[in-house]
Amino acid sequence: DVKVTQSSRYLVKRTGEKVFLECVQDMDHENMFWYRQDPGLGLRLIYFSYDVKMKEKGDIPEGYSVSREKKERFSLILESASTNQTSMYLCASSNYVGTPDFGAGTRLSVL
Amino acid sequence: QKEVEQDPGPLSVPEGAIVSLNCTYSNSAFQYFMWYRQYSRKGPELLMYTYSSGNKEDGRFTAQVDKSSKYISLFIRDSQPSDSATYLCAMSGGTSGTYKYIFGTGTRLKVLA
Repeated sequence: DVKVTQSSRYLVKRTGEKVFLECVQDMDHENMFWYRQDPGLGLRLIYFSYDVKMKEKGDIPEGYSVSREKKERFSLILESASTNQTSMYLCASSNYVGTPDFGAGTRLSVL
Repeated sequence: QKEVEQDPGPLSVPEGAIVSLNCTYSNSAFQYFMWYRQYSRKGPELLMYTYSSGNKEDGRFTAQVDKSSKYISLFIRDSQPSDSATYLCAMSGGTSGTYKYIFGTGTRLKVLA
């Protein structure tokens, strides 16, 4: 029944490290999303992808990049992690007219 | 002004109470309205999905959309301690596209046994 799987539940990284967050969905969805969730700010869209190799910036793309080489996999990359990127990261997927299904989330701490 | 406003709570109710959770929004073009439940340290899970105006019922949950007032509600009947979670509203549609989802900040609900 698993639909959206995020590779790590908890990560601790150091400032300046390159960080990879991986997400895989098994529902053959076209759209995939990366959000971050912070108290009082809700879910904010970082990037989304509507097809393989296609991506669009969301509301807060600065400091992040993404990769979608295969339909089922969407990776979020923090090029040089900073303490203000400590957050809960949520991956989601949807088909063209559906509602997003979320993964369990990755809680990232940058020290 | 945020596109979607949601009272953060926390909202505490006794077991068995009827719970009303609400969101207001400013973009009249929104057409798709969703409610998600999120347990602590977990990802959101979809509870209800409504297109345009009207009511939708699923077990103890009822979702209402009033587009004229730009107001959506989620009612939980016979609330249980297991309903204790954060409830997020979300919406999409219009010029933002069907897959640009705008989320409320969530309302924390505590159901006391």
